[in-house]
Amino acid sequence: IVLTQSPGTLSSSPGERATLSCRASQTVSSTSLAWYQQKPGQAPRLLIYGASRRATGIPDRFSGSGSGTDFTLTISRLEPEDFAVYYCQQSDTSSMYTFGQGTKVEIK
Amino acid sequence: QVQLQESGPGLVKPSGTLSLTCAVSGDSISSSNWWSWVRQSPGKGLEWIGEIYHSGSTHYKPSLKSRVTISLDKSKNQFSLRLKSVTAADTAVYYCATGRDYAWFYWGQGTLVTVSS
Repeated sequence: IVLTQSPGTLSSSPGERATLSCRASQTVSSTSLAWYQQKPGQAPRLLIYGASRRATGIPDRFSGSGSGTDFTLTISRLEPEDFAVYYCQQSDTSSMYTFGQGTKVEIK
Repeated sequence: QVQLQESGPGLVKPSGTLSLTCAVSGDSISSSNWWSWVRQSPGKGLEWIGEIYHSGSTHYKPSLKSRVTISLDKSKNQFSLRLKSVTAADTAVYYCATGRDYAWFYWGQGTLVTVSS
């Protein structure tokens, strides 16, 4: 399954809403769709799993939604620390994992 | 709190074998988790390599399957990655990770492995 993220780069200002898209080439189970945030020089950090469940300690300005082939990560109000690269990830029924190519959220 | 720490050589010669270990604390690798390896080539995205279950069952990315072995060492509470016949394309930061519900909740800090003569 191929995951395609859009946009490649999102230029936004602090306080704005950010909407990131992840589209799958085949239907993905909602239970196996996750989102990660990665900052330079750091390991990825899990934000959302099961398409919409926030991981422990993740602020509620991050939310995930979607089903089937279209999933969305929304950041309701961008904080300075939210400027980073975001990846979606899925697991298929044969226990193979794939990532999207990433969306960079940069300061406008 | 689960903590993971990768270790291993930072430089491997072409055609050689890359060997990394992930030391686990805060959980037992005999627990019902999958223990995974993920890599990231410089400036690129994330690539899943494979995983191992506490039973020893493994899954590998198909394109890497012929070169990859992931194993457990329960006595040391760690798991390992071996990647043979490496080329420059295998140069990457290698992460070990674990979690549940088809997501990786815990990650090591990553270790850079460069393939060069």
